[in-house]
Amino acid sequence: QVQLQESGPGLVKPSETLSLTCTVSGGSISSYYWSWIRQSPGKGLEWIGYIYYSGTTNYNPSLKSRVTTSIDTSKSQFSLKLTSVTAADTAIYYCARFDGYNSPGDYWGQGILVTVSS
Amino acid sequence: QSVLTQPPSVSGTPGQRVTISCTGSSSNLGANYDVHWYQQFPGTAPKLLISNNRNRPSGVPDRFSGSKSGTSASLAITGLQAEDEADYYCQSYDSSLSGSVVFGGGTKLTVL
Repeated sequence: QVQLQESGPGLVKPSETLSLTCTVSGGSISSYYWSWIRQSPGKGLEWIGYIYYSGTTNYNPSLKSRVTTSIDTSKSQFSLKLTSVTAADTAIYYCARFDGYNSPGDYWGQGILVTVSS
Repeated sequence: QSVLTQPPSVSGTPGQRVTISCTGSSSNLGANYDVHWYQQFPGTAPKLLISNNRNRPSGVPDRFSGSKSGTSASLAITGLQAEDEADYYCQSYDSSLSGSVVFGGGTKLTVL
């Protein structure tokens, strides 16, 4: 059974960089689109972006200038960096596996709450 | 403002049939991109409910069904049960602005 697990700091100061890692187990990291999605408290789902196993990326236009993703296939991990964070970036961050750019997320991590506060 | 529009809330009584709509545009649902549906309970990650417009992943009861036509899609739940009370989200792909995965704003289903 494929499992995804997010890890990283739960508290980030304003203007700093949010960094999260997602570890994939129980399956190959190859041939999939590995995505980050977030959910602000009490709000809906927002797609942040994805990285294909080959390293190709695509980001939400509203976040593109602040987002970077990377992948380490040897460790079965992929990562998210979001720069210049503000309180508006406080959210639960999920990592998920997508089979294609128009496919559903079939496996999701449990999510990690990241709070932006001084 | 979400690219895909869902009603904020719907409600029904046990045993009833309810539907949740998801309305898009010519750059997503109208461009023949598939729609997918998720169910989310408080404090948990979204769970895939319907994939590619109408396909149920293994383990999803056949009380849940999906359809799509033009720029709209619907999730139908028949024989409503108390355990169906949750948030529901639609998701598709939008070809504008170099392409993006897009979600609906979500619909809260209340079982009365």
